Parts: sequence; structure tokens; C-alpha cells
Amino acid sequence: DTGVSQDPRHKITKRGQNVTFRCDPISEHNRLYWYRQTLGQGPEFLTYFQNEAQLEKSRLLSDRFSAERPKGSFSTLEIQRTEQGDSAMYLCASSPQDEQFFGPGTRLTVL
Amino acid sequence: DQQVKQNSPSLSVQEGRISILNCDYTNSMFDYFLWYKKYPAEGPTFLISISSIKDKNEDGRFTVFLNKSAKHLSLHIVPSQPGDSAVYFCAASTTFSSGSARQLTFGSGTQLTVLP
Repeated sequence: DTGVSQDPRHKITKRGQNVTFRCDPISEHNRLYWYRQTLGQGPEFLTYFQNEAQLEKSRLLSDRFSAERPKGSFSTLEIQRTEQGDSAMYLCASSPQDEQFFGPGTRLTVL
Repeated sequence: DQQVKQNSPSLSVQEGRISILNCDYTNSMFDYFLWYKKYPAEGPTFLISISSIKDKNEDGRFTVFLNKSAKHLSLHIVPSQPGDSAVYFCAASTTFSSGSARQLTFGSGTQLTVLP
């Protein structure tokens, strides 16, 4: 399968814990995006990488969130000191141009 | 403030009939529009797109119409099939201020159910 993959698919954590998600984009795509989706809503943009450079960040991305793409291939999204409001589906997408291809997402539940 | 709105949370149609999904936007800077389809436990899948310089784009059973003056777009699926049952998201895009890529703003989705 050469699509976008995300790991883990599900994560349950206790409030205050740190969590890290991984995204492996389609190999030839240099653009990578992170989104958050809550129930009944569409995906909301969090941040964008072109190769290893983080070029855009949404105001939704609080200081507790950090994302990296160290070698311009896979990316990680870390949430520190999780809160119950962080419970959501976290989606990764990659693109060669304008069309973005999404992974299956990581569902985070913060207890 | 929602810049992209899908006012119908759900839509049911009979197999073989036309499905029409609607989307409204408020930001006149949006210049490229996309529709995504999402099945449960999967990420959104790109379906069809349209540039603001066009008013119609067709791909097989799927046609997207854009009315810029009304800031409205619609997705027509004809004939509808049971396998089309999914959540459909409308997305509108502008170029990031860095000029490096496009930012997508999504609507809240419409659950389409095609009845056999």
C-alpha cells in the first residue's frame, strides 16, 4: 500500500500525559499537512511542512503542540500535557500539488 | 465563523436517482474548491475539484458546479449507487501567505445515504 499511513490508529491516554503520533506520507510528496477533526465537523488545518521546513502553523496549534519532519519524510505530532479537549481525530495528508491525500487518522481519547 | 458551510447534515436518495450536495462559502479569496468523500474508519478521499475560473467540472458520474456570484458550489452524483453512501466534505482553498502551498478549509460534511 503506497498511501499515507498513520500510527497509532487509536490512542487512549490520561489527562496530563504526553502523546506522539507518526505520519508516513506518500514517498514522492514533499508537502505534508496535519489536521484535527472533531465529531460532526470537517478537518481543521493545524500545520504544514514543505520538505523538512514547517512553513505554516494555525492559531489552533497551541504551545502544547509541536510537529517535526526531520528528514523531509515522516512527520511526528506531539501533544504535551494532554487535556480532554484534545480528544479528536488527528489526520495527516500529503500532496504533490493542490490535491491532498489523507491518511486514516489517529483517534485520540483523553480521559 | 464558519467560512465554508454545508447546511444539510444528511441526505437520502434512491439508487439510480440524482444526489445533489450543496456548499456555501463566505471568503471571496477562495479560488479552488474540492470535494472529498469519507467512509467510516478511513481518511477523506479526494473526489473532484474545480478552479474558480470555471463553472463546471465533470468526472464520470460526478459533476461539480460553481456559482461564484452566489458563493455556492454543488456536487451532483448521477446515477447514485449504494456504494456512494459516505460523508461528503466540501473544501475551499487559498494560497498560504508564504505562497508555498494551499490551505484547505472544510465544511462540516453531509452524510449521503443511497437506498437500494
